[in-house]
Amino acid sequence: GNSVTQMEGPVTLSEEAFLTINCTYTATGYPSLFWYVQYPGEGLQLLLKATKADDKGSNKGFEATYRKETTSFHLEKGSVQVSDSAVYFCALRKNSNSGYALNFGKGTSLLVTP
Amino acid sequence: AAGVIQSPRHLIKEKRETATLKCYPIPRHDTVYWYQQGPGQDPQFLISFYEKMQSDKGSIPDRFSAQQFSDYHSELNMSSLELGDSALYFCASSLGPGGPFSGANVLTFGAGSRLTVL
Repeated sequence: GNSVTQMEGPVTLSEEAFLTINCTYTATGYPSLFWYVQYPGEGLQLLLKATKADDKGSNKGFEATYRKETTSFHLEKGSVQVSDSAVYFCALRKNSNSGYALNFGKGTSLLVTP
Repeated sequence: AAGVIQSPRHLIKEKRETATLKCYPIPRHDTVYWYQQGPGQDPQFLISFYEKMQSDKGSIPDRFSAQQFSDYHSELNMSSLELGDSALYFCASSLGPGGPFSGANVLTFGAGSRLTVL
């Protein structure tokens, strides 16, 4: 089946540190890949996406590259801010005429300290 | 821009009671999805509808049912509530689901409905 594995948190970083959150996936075919972010007490917001191999999604300084050879979609940011503190979910969605839902990873909590 | 609207935002019920959650998708979105997120857990997919027909089914308990109406809004009905049903319930909507690149259609989530079962 389809699944996503994320590195376990929590991740604690100082402001302006470099962030990497690892995500690997298992899927048949060629899924689309997403990163969603959930701020405390809020819903899930799309952060970025990539729909095919070697695509790079980027938004708000975050980046992730769809690596088919390593089945990975690691999230990176060069310099984190306190406001980036949130839970980050990696997710995949199969491309299909049947319309599959998103499969989420377990989430990685990030805490950025001043 | 209009977002996904969920109601109620908070709901408190007793065990064995019933509850109904409502979801209003983004205008022109024809697909809705329901997710359940327990405390500290990842969102678990329950069920989805496309053009008022069930399009995909996840881990939805038999005590729960859902439907999508002609105006594309959806309702999740939960009966015989248990303590373990206490969770945040998210609705999401998208365009789709058909086509070879349907996976790229972004799901936009609502703010969620928090159900507490006492």
